[in-house]
Amino acid sequence: EVQLVESGGGLVQPGRSLRLSCAASGFNFNDYALHWVRRVPGKGLEWVSGISWKNVVGYADSVKGRFTISRDNAKKSLFLEMRSLRTDDTGVYYCAKDRYPIIAAPEYWGQGALVTVSS
Amino acid sequence: QSVLTQPPSVSAAPGQKVTISCSGRNSNIGNLYVSWFQHLPGTAPKLLIYDNNTRPSGIPDRFSGSKSGPSVTLDIAGLQTGDEADYYCGAWDANLNVGFFGGGTKVTVL
Repeated sequence: EVQLVESGGGLVQPGRSLRLSCAASGFNFNDYALHWVRRVPGKGLEWVSGISWKNVVGYADSVKGRFTISRDNAKKSLFLEMRSLRTDDTGVYYCAKDRYPIIAAPEYWGQGALVTVSS
Repeated sequence: QSVLTQPPSVSAAPGQKVTISCSGRNSNIGNLYVSWFQHLPGTAPKLLIYDNNTRPSGIPDRFSGSKSGPSVTLDIAGLQTGDEADYYCGAWDANLNVGFFGGGTKVTVL
């Protein structure tokens, strides 16, 4: 059974940093792309970032230059380093496994981690 | 403003069918990988359709996707009360490594 468990969320002040982690199990981690997607209050789902099986990365314009996605295949973990956080980064952050090795179709999702950016 | 445009809401009686459209604002969505997701508050989103019209295993055939030119649609037939949720289209450009979601459509069963 595919399982994705996010951690690292919390309350953080604007301008500070936060690192999200996602622990994966139940599939061959090395073979698939992974995503971070957030649910922004009142705005729906927003794709944040993705990383392919070969570590090709992509970012939404809203986070480019501030967020960094990475993966550790040995630890079957996905990470999102978030810097210079803004109030509009507040939301529930989901980790998702793609159906494919490339960034194409998020298939399985975790339960999400809440990030609140507020002073 | 989302790159992908969906109607904010649709509704129908139990047993009826609803259709949700998803159109690209600045690009031909037909060239992208398009998926559909169901999202109930407090739960993880669920993949309903991928590659425009393919259902993952376990998804009932009441859910179907299609593509026509620059837009794609999700049909939900035989509407049930449990189908009340937000539905999102998403598209990914595997060449540019970027993705987009539509603004979401709230489905209400009357």
